[in-house]
Amino acid sequence: NAGVTQTPKFQVLKTGQSMTLQCAQDMNHNSMYWYRQDPGMGLRLIYYSASEGTTDKGEVPNGYNVSRLNKREFSLRLESAAPSQTSVYFCASSEGQGGYTEAFFGQGTRLTVV
Amino acid sequence: LAKTTQPISMDSYEGQEVNITCSHNNIATNDYITWYQQFPSQGPRFIIQGYKTKVTNEVASLFIPADRKSSTLSLPRVSLSDTAVYYCLVGADYNFNKFYFGSGTKLNVKP
Repeated sequence: NAGVTQTPKFQVLKTGQSMTLQCAQDMNHNSMYWYRQDPGMGLRLIYYSASEGTTDKGEVPNGYNVSRLNKREFSLRLESAAPSQTSVYFCASSEGQGGYTEAFFGQGTRLTVV
Repeated sequence: LAKTTQPISMDSYEGQEVNITCSHNNIATNDYITWYQQFPSQGPRFIIQGYKTKVTNEVASLFIPADRKSSTLSLPRVSLSDTAVYYCLVGADYNFNKFYFGSGTKLNVKP
């Protein structure tokens, strides 16, 4: 089982460029999440999708958009990248919603905006 | 949302038992307590979850006192490979649609 797969693993963007981070899970999970982790910091929730067809803002949504393409895939888009968006981005999925379920994380996408 | 407080870092030596305490004074009746582990350059990984008293699995034990205002993750006989960041999360299923991670506890295991 692949679990949660993120692409790309590394990316360098110039300020103002756009890109989409892809995430797919093969565990038939209902909920999916996007986090960012800055150096030496904990994870901060950007957006989440409780189920197919729904998305909601998390703690730090500004500058990002998301799409829950189907039950498997949840993409994160940066429309106009800024140096402050340099971070490691993690996608996660869980069967249920919230604090009693187990979340599975991808390996992360390391994004640098210059 | 119940806020959690953990020590920023801890040091230990190989073979010792490590106890990491998490404070969650505002925990709600239906909240569960969950711990995740994160190695450098990897995503977090679920370790253990509990509601009250004690839970044990092949990796760790979780101790939760009767008032549930704190919890302690216990790692028996740590090795160098247990060096990681450990996160404590508190939440319920029906009124929280997301996981909130704090800064975690950086455990450094020395030889």
